Amino acid sequence: AQSVTQLDSQVPVFEEAPVELRCNYSSSVSVYLFWYVQYPNQGLQLLLKYLSGSTLVKGINGFEAEFNKSQTSFHLRKPSVHISDTAEYFCAVSDGGGYNKLIFGAGTRLAVHP
Amino acid sequence: AAGVIQSPRHLIKEKRETATLKCYPIPRHDTVYWYQQGPGQDPQFLISFYEKMQSDKGSIPDRFSAQQFSDYHSELNMSSLELGDSALYFCASSLGGGNEKLFFGSGTQLSVL
Repeated sequence: AQSVTQLDSQVPVFEEAPVELRCNYSSSVSVYLFWYVQYPNQGLQLLLKYLSGSTLVKGINGFEAEFNKSQTSFHLRKPSVHISDTAEYFCAVSDGGGYNKLIFGAGTRLAVHP
Repeated sequence: AAGVIQSPRHLIKEKRETATLKCYPIPRHDTVYWYQQGPGQDPQFLISFYEKMQSDKGSIPDRFSAQQFSDYHSELNMSSLELGDSALYFCASSLGGGNEKLFFGSGTQLSVL
């Protein structure tokens, strides 16, 4: 069975500092990996996804993630965060065979301080 | 551009009542997914429909049922509501059953008192 582990429930960081949100997955089959962002009282917005090809994926708002098959990780990074990046970030996995059924991690709360 | 529309945005019910949540996918999208997100929890997959047929089923209680109609909108029916059903219910849509991009609605906040 697939599962997703987000190692940090909260990540506080100062504005303009770099940030990395960690995500590890377990799956016995090929996986597709996603990062979603959820702003307060809003729906989930796709940041980026890895389906195949280059292991470094660039998304919206300056975020990027690197797929590492040997470490079963898909960490999210941004070189310089803004106050507006404060939100909940969810890593998710899909095996591609279940009509896009996503399994989400528990989420990481990114809090950017001035 | 049109997005996924969910109604109502907020719903307050009492225990043992019923509730119906509606989801209108992006035009031409044929696949709809329902997720439940409890307070401070990650979204949990409930059920999905492709071309009006159930395509996958997750942790949906027997008290809940859903369907997709001929115009591709979907309704989630919830009966005998319990306090633990209080959650944010998201609908998402996509085109096709492959790994196309999912578009999420803003959700329906259900509060069971």
